[in-house]
Amino acid sequence: AQRVTQPEKLLSVFKGAPVELKCNYSYSGSPELFWYVQYSRQRLQLLLRHISRESIKGFTADLNKGETSFHLKKPFAQEEDSAMYYCALGAGSYQLTFGKGTKLSVIP
Amino acid sequence: DAGVIQSPRHEVTEMGQEVTLRCKPISGHNSLFWYRQTMMRGLELLIYFNNNVPIDDSGMPEDRFSAKMPNASFSTLKIQPSEPRDSAVYFCASKFGGLGSPLHFGNGTRLTVT
Repeated sequence: AQRVTQPEKLLSVFKGAPVELKCNYSYSGSPELFWYVQYSRQRLQLLLRHISRESIKGFTADLNKGETSFHLKKPFAQEEDSAMYYCALGAGSYQLTFGKGTKLSVIP
Repeated sequence: DAGVIQSPRHEVTEMGQEVTLRCKPISGHNSLFWYRQTMMRGLELLIYFNNNVPIDDSGMPEDRFSAKMPNASFSTLKIQPSEPRDSAVYFCASKFGGLGSPLHFGNGTRLTVT
């Protein structure tokens, strides 16, 4: 069975400080991993996916198969980064399993 | 493209009443998902459809919950009878393609059962 763990419910950082949102997964197959973001009272939207190896809004995430992790990082946090972040694991043909989410609060 | 459209945005009902949530996926998408979001449990997958066929409904909490997708452009999630513990935000999402393709979420329906 697949599982996604986001150990931090809440993460508070000061503006300009580095951010790392942790995500660990459990899956025996070859994973597809995603980060979704939900700004206050808005719909969830895709932030980035590991297959694209892209940087979106300054965020990056590297898949580490040895540690089964897909941590989300940004070198300098901005106030507009405050949101709920969900890590998601794609397994099987269609299904995405989400972690419980981490609320990021950037303190001005 | 208006994206995934859900209605209503907010629903307040009394315990025991029937609740129907509606979703219109993005045209051309072949998979549709219903999620429930609560503070305690985060995002839980309730059921998903592929080409209008229910594939996995193991996340549906109890028989009080049912979902249908009569055609490619419409789906409903029904709760009958509703209970206070069903209070949550219910999201519908759709996508086209397999594993690597992203989910597109609707704005959600905030359900309050008193």
